[in-house]
Amino acid sequence: GDSVTQMEGPVTLSEEAFLTINCTYTATGYPSLFWYVQYPGEGLQLLLKATKADDKGSNKGFEATYRKETTSFHLEKGSVQVSDSAVYFCALTSGGGRRALTFGSGTRLQVQP
Amino acid sequence: ETGVTQSPTHLIKTRGQQVTLRCSSQSGHNTVSWYQQALGQGPQFIFQYYREEENGRGNFPPRFSGLQFPNYSSELNVNALELDDSALYLCASSGDRPNTGELFFGEGSRLTVL
Repeated sequence: GDSVTQMEGPVTLSEEAFLTINCTYTATGYPSLFWYVQYPGEGLQLLLKATKADDKGSNKGFEATYRKETTSFHLEKGSVQVSDSAVYFCALTSGGGRRALTFGSGTRLQVQP
Repeated sequence: ETGVTQSPTHLIKTRGQQVTLRCSSQSGHNTVSWYQQALGQGPQFIFQYYREEENGRGNFPPRFSGLQFPNYSSELNVNALELDDSALYLCASSGDRPNTGELFFGEGSRLTVL
């Protein structure tokens, strides 16, 4: 079945540091890939997505590229801010009518001033 | 603010009891799905409803059941509660016009089973 593996947290960075959160996946067919973010006290929000190989999703300074050859979708940001502190979830859907998401276990990011 | 609202936000039950969680989906969305998020874990897909019919189910036993109403709001029912059912239950809605693949999540209902 489908699965998503992402790096263990917490990841602790200083403000303006470079961020990478690794995500690899196993799926049948051609999944769509997502990063969702959960800020403290809030619900899950879509951060970015990519629907086919070599697509780059981007939003709020975050980027991730769909790499089919390495089955990866690593999240990056060039300069993190304190307000980026949250839990980040990599997810995929194998599509079709069901559209169910398979999530990774989440990576907590703590950014210190 | 996603427009998806869930109730109650927190509740405590004892083992063996039954619980009903409610979700109001975003306006115009005809698909609702439910996820269970245990502490420190990613959400796990329970099931999905499309226009009042269940059209997908994850690896959860039959004591997890649901409904979707004509206005596309939804309920999750869990019978014979077990301690391991303690979790955050998330509702997500989506539409097919346009079909972007994005799910819009509520803030969840936190269930504690004692």
